[in-house]
Amino acid sequence: EPEVTQTPSHQVTQMGQEVILRCVPISNHLYFYWYRQILGQKVEFLVSFYNNEISEKSEIFDDQFSVERPDGSNFTLKIRSTKLEDSAMYFCASRTGGHQPQHFGDGTRLSIL
Amino acid sequence: AQSVTQPDIHITVSEGASLELRCNYSYGATPYLFWYVQSPGQGLQLLLKYFSGDTLVQGIKGFEAEFKRSQSSFNLRKPSVHWSDAAEYFCAVIPIQGAQKLVFGQGTRLTINP
Repeated sequence: EPEVTQTPSHQVTQMGQEVILRCVPISNHLYFYWYRQILGQKVEFLVSFYNNEISEKSEIFDDQFSVERPDGSNFTLKIRSTKLEDSAMYFCASRTGGHQPQHFGDGTRLSIL
Repeated sequence: AQSVTQPDIHITVSEGASLELRCNYSYGATPYLFWYVQSPGQGLQLLLKYFSGDTLVQGIKGFEAEFKRSQSSFNLRKPSVHWSDAAEYFCAVIPIQGAQKLVFGQGTRLTINP
């Protein structure tokens, strides 16, 4: 069964550094998402992306965050200047369209030192 | 406030026992409803979904959920749990038709006693 794949599984970064989290959505999917889960807290929506532009974003998704689909297969989340509070598990998800559900990757654990 | 509530943070059941995990939502209109499961070190796997129609929905791994509009609930059930069902279970909604983001509950951690 096709899967959403995320790399790396664990990223350790110094505070203030830029980090890029990578995702390969399922190939025929059209809608792409990033969520995060801070340890012990709920999974939170960050951003949705469709037709090469952001379709919805949360309050969390401020100017430090950006997303990009640089080619036909990858979907990336960039954090420009990381803060300690960015430490979390980041999940990528994708879906086809209509009423089809979102399929999630295994996540990238981001640790900011 | 609009939210998704999973009242039980942690539940322990014996292997072979029945299971019910609770989920309540507070939105004006009936949202789209989902249950996801997260095994340790894994991503979120969809168990089942409800958009409309039959209020009892069947999912994977022998799970089912029942939508009750009068109670704003979407409880997850399984008649007989297996040790491999130990995981974190998340109820989630899409609050508005046409919107895209999933809003998650806090999660319920399920432990299975042998």
